[in-house]
Amino acid sequence: DTEVTQTPKHLVMGMTNKKSLKCEQHMGHRAMYWYKQKAKKPPELMFVYSYEKLSINESVPSRFSPECPNSSLLNLHLHALQPEDSALYLCASSRSLDNEQFFGPGTRLTVL
Amino acid sequence: AQSVTQLDSQVPVFEEAPVELRCNYSSSVSVYLFWYVQYPNQGLQLLLKYLSGSTLVKGINGFEAEFNKSQTSFHLRKPSVHISDTAEYFCAVSPLNAGGTSYGKLTFGQGTILTVHP
Repeated sequence: DTEVTQTPKHLVMGMTNKKSLKCEQHMGHRAMYWYKQKAKKPPELMFVYSYEKLSINESVPSRFSPECPNSSLLNLHLHALQPEDSALYLCASSRSLDNEQFFGPGTRLTVL
Repeated sequence: AQSVTQLDSQVPVFEEAPVELRCNYSSSVSVYLFWYVQYPNQGLQLLLKYLSGSTLVKGINGFEAEFNKSQTSFHLRKPSVHISDTAEYFCAVSPLNAGGTSYGKLTFGQGTILTVHP
């Protein structure tokens, strides 16, 4: 298994909803990442996990809450989002922080 | 802090012509360098990487890039493009710590849309 999978592919939520994005890899990678990509913009790093511990939080608002329950799984919990949070959310993984990152297909989030 | 400048936002080219996508970076520390490709409504796929060693790096799909430390550039080239190369290309840098390893923090350029015409 040589890919990063993300579910769901698409998500529409209201500003009062709570939802979660899921990312999974079975490559034995020990670093995992969340990025946000707005339309016609490059990806921007949100969070970095290394060995299931949060190592970087790029000053992301607390309405985004990451969780790494085990080495294969990374979640992003969403609560009270704003319409400007609508974007493509990309997950990536790498063997370690010192290796290239492999990206999943993304979850396209729309906040109404 | 690091920054990445992709000098062309759009590059149109005819099929079978050569292409060069330009990337310059700024960093106060050593970096790793990457090129990724993104097809519409998809994630990013790694084309090639420069970590150390030879400054000419070969990647997938016939792409190559050359690291020029004095000019802080990492331009991407392909000698003959195909229609299927139409996509957005991102240059990215990852700064290294004092021990010479990466924090895992990728900073991307603004992207270059390559359009290959028949």
